[in-house]
Amino acid sequence: AQKVTQAQTEISVVEKEDVTLDCVYETRDTTYYLFWYKQPPSGELVFLIRRNSFDEQNEISGRYSWNFQKSTSSFNFTITASQVVDSAVYFCALSISGGYNKLIFGAGTRLAVHP
Amino acid sequence: DAGVIQSPRHEVTEMGQEVTLRCKPISGHNSLFWYRQTMMRGLELLIYFNNNVPIDDSGMPEDRFSAKMPNASFSTLKIQPSEPRDSAVYFCASSSRLTNTDTQYFGPGTRLTVL
Repeated sequence: AQKVTQAQTEISVVEKEDVTLDCVYETRDTTYYLFWYKQPPSGELVFLIRRNSFDEQNEISGRYSWNFQKSTSSFNFTITASQVVDSAVYFCALSISGGYNKLIFGAGTRLAVHP
Repeated sequence: DAGVIQSPRHEVTEMGQEVTLRCKPISGHNSLFWYRQTMMRGLELLIYFNNNVPIDDSGMPEDRFSAKMPNASFSTLKIQPSEPRDSAVYFCASSSRLTNTDTQYFGPGTRLTVL
């Protein structure tokens, strides 16, 4: 069975702090995809990143960076120098290749960035 | 390019009434998904269409829920009769398998309140 665990329910930081959101996944498949989505207070779900299981390179996009480690089944997301606009719920998700890319979502981590 | 379009954005109805939610996927995408988001259950997949054909409806809660996709650019999710426990945010998402791009892009959601 596939499962995504986001153990941090809520995180509160002060602007300019760095923050890491944890994501641990479970799957027996060797080919899979991992995703992060952002849900700001306005409610929409915004795609942030997609990573396949054969690509363990870390990725950096501006203040965002992702650390994928197959050895620990983790796909963590770090925001550097957080800003108030980063306040949102962040979801990690898993899909299995060969199926129809059904997304299995974690419960989400609510990030509050205070000025 | 236009993203996934959903209507209405908000719907308030009374128990027992029929509710129809609408979705227009991104042009060229051939996979369409309906999700429901609640505080208790998080994000859960209701139904998946590929090339307008329902492939997996195992997430549809009960017979009161039905979904159709009459063509590649339109889908509906209907609840009849509606109940207060159906109150949730309903998301539509689309993706393209033709280009092996399995990323799902979400619409803004429809917030349904059943009184």
